[in-house]
Amino acid sequence: GNSVTQMEGPVTLSEEAFLTINCTYTATGYPSLFWYVQYPGEGLQLLLKATKADDKGSNKGFEATYRKETTSFHLEKGSVQVSDSAVYFCALSEWGGSEKLVFGKGTKLTVNP
Amino acid sequence: DADVTQTPRNRITKTGKRIMLECSQTKGHDRMYWYRQDPGLGLQLIYYSFDVKDINKGEISDGYSVSRQAQAKFSLSLESAIPNQTALYFCATSPGGASQPQHFGDGTRLSIL
Repeated sequence: GNSVTQMEGPVTLSEEAFLTINCTYTATGYPSLFWYVQYPGEGLQLLLKATKADDKGSNKGFEATYRKETTSFHLEKGSVQVSDSAVYFCALSEWGGSEKLVFGKGTKLTVNP
Repeated sequence: DADVTQTPRNRITKTGKRIMLECSQTKGHDRMYWYRQDPGLGLQLIYYSFDVKDINKGEISDGYSVSRQAQAKFSLSLESAIPNQTALYFCATSPGGASQPQHFGDGTRLSIL
């Protein structure tokens, strides 16, 4: 079955540091890939997505590139801010059936001033 | 107003009680989902519905039931709550298609004593 494996947390960085959160996936077909962010006490919000190989999703300074050859979708940001502190989830969805989201376990990021 | 509204936001109840969690949406989406989030486990699909007459079990449906009262409303019930159903519950909507992101409510934190 489909699965997503992402970097275990927690991750603690200083403000303006570079961020990478690794995500790899297993899928039977050709999935769409997503990064969601969850701020404390809130639901999940879409951060970015990519729907085909070599697509780059980007939003709010975050980027991730759909790499079919390595089945990866790593999240990066060049300079994190305190306001980026949250839990980040990598997820995939495939056409057909429920089209449910299959999530990784989440990575908690804390950015210190 | 939020596009996807969940009520209640928090609930504490006792083992054996019947509980209903409600979800309503103003996005006009046909597809609605219920997920459960446990610490360190990501989100898992409980039930999903593609329209009012279409209800389907997800991967962890045992002990749960749902009702799709209208396009905009999708309720989750625990017929006889047990402590291991203590979790954070999320409702999500989608316009359909694996490339489309799902839109989440802010969640219901349920504690069963």
